[in-house]
Amino acid sequence: EVQLVESGGGLVKPGGSLRLSCAASGFTFSNYDMNWVRQAPGKGLEWVSFISSSSSYIYYADSVQGRFTISRDSAKNSLYLQMNSLRAEDTAVYYCARDWRGDLDVWGKGTTVTVSS
Amino acid sequence: AIQLTQSPSSLSASVGDRVTITCRASQGISSALAWYQKKTGKAPKLLMYDASRLESGVPSRFSGSGSGTDFTLTISSLQPEDFATYYCQQFNNYPRTFGQGTKVEIK
Repeated sequence: EVQLVESGGGLVKPGGSLRLSCAASGFTFSNYDMNWVRQAPGKGLEWVSFISSSSSYIYYADSVQGRFTISRDSAKNSLYLQMNSLRAEDTAVYYCARDWRGDLDVWGKGTTVTVSS
Repeated sequence: AIQLTQSPSSLSASVGDRVTITCRASQGISSALAWYQKKTGKAPKLLMYDASRLESGVPSRFSGSGSGTDFTLTISSLQPEDFATYYCQQFNNYPRTFGQGTKVEIK
């Protein structure tokens, strides 16, 4: 079964850091580009970051550029999001999603990040 | 960044109704558009890709059309399980962007 499972969310103070992980299974992870997408409480979906299959191409939303770092480890079938200098507006459910043809065809169930003092 | 504007933001409809949601891009994106269904507490689900191609396993009552800047998602006969929020997303360039969502509620 094709599956993505996020972990690493939690409560963190403003200015703090958190590292999210996404474990992939059921498909050849190294063949696929990957993304992080988030949804703040009561808000819509917001694309956060993209990483190509070989890690050669990386893109970020303006809202996280310079604070978040996406990476992957194909040996561990895992995707990561290092989040630094966290702000209240980063509070959201974070989803990892597989990129297929540009659309996102497989999603994890999400991990919740709360930034609050 | 390309902006996607969905309309309406919400709608009320009955089971069996035909429902149409539109998504307008601030600049041309060819057919690089996807549609997703989002239910509370669940992960988004891909419905359509390349504007008009139905994702495998998605019921045929869903259809999509459009290219360039104007796109539509149509549900031909609304079913109880279709009450959800729908989002369009462009993948023509970065940053990827989503529309603000259209909430489909029970009338």
